Amino acid sequence: RKEVEQDPGPFNVPEGATVAFNCTYSNSASQSFFWYRQDCRKEPKLLMSVYSSGNEDGRFTAQLNRASQYISLLIRDSKLSDSATYLCVVPRDSGYALNFGKGTSLLVTP
Amino acid sequence: ETGVTQSPTHLIKTRGQQVTLRCSSQSGHNTVSWYQQALGQGPQFIFQYYREEENGRGNFPPRFSGLQFPNYSSELNVNALELDDSALYLCASSARDRGYNEQFFGPGTRLTVL
Repeated sequence: RKEVEQDPGPFNVPEGATVAFNCTYSNSASQSFFWYRQDCRKEPKLLMSVYSSGNEDGRFTAQLNRASQYISLLIRDSKLSDSATYLCVVPRDSGYALNFGKGTSLLVTP
Repeated sequence: ETGVTQSPTHLIKTRGQQVTLRCSSQSGHNTVSWYQQALGQGPQFIFQYYREEENGRGNFPPRFSGLQFPNYSSELNVNALELDDSALYLCASSARDRGYNEQFFGPGTRLTVL
């Protein structure tokens, strides 16, 4: 099993739609999780951190299910500017470097 | 606060050559991590430097090496370049002493090996 797995998509949704991405991880000892956003040919940028069961920031909600070892990211009321690749990230065993999933591509259309 | 910078932005090399990529960490950060991102993939951890010493390494061969300097800037060196080394190389800095995982990425160096 890969350390971090994501559905690569692409997800094509209309503006205003709600979309959810799932991610599974293999290290049951992981305590913190992240979603990064990466625009085309740019560097990844932190979108959300998840340390307990979940986190909400405006239209974005991240949820964590430790028993099933998966993390989800929900985007409500999608905007054109949400089009990007979303990377699920779990710290490595050392705790100070990161394991990335392959990313899920989202395209929001008018 | 000065962000993470990397140089050069783009580089073209041929197989067998050597390359050095540079990274300046964000002000106040003492840890630098390097990642390789091939097209269509997520970033893969190469290694991390903390206080001028290598502190963790991913599944990359020894021809990938690095340095960290007293001002916390860092270099990534790749010897005997192979076609598969073509990728975006990302540097990320963090403040390890704060015990927080958040890493701030530079804009990357895009390396093409012909």
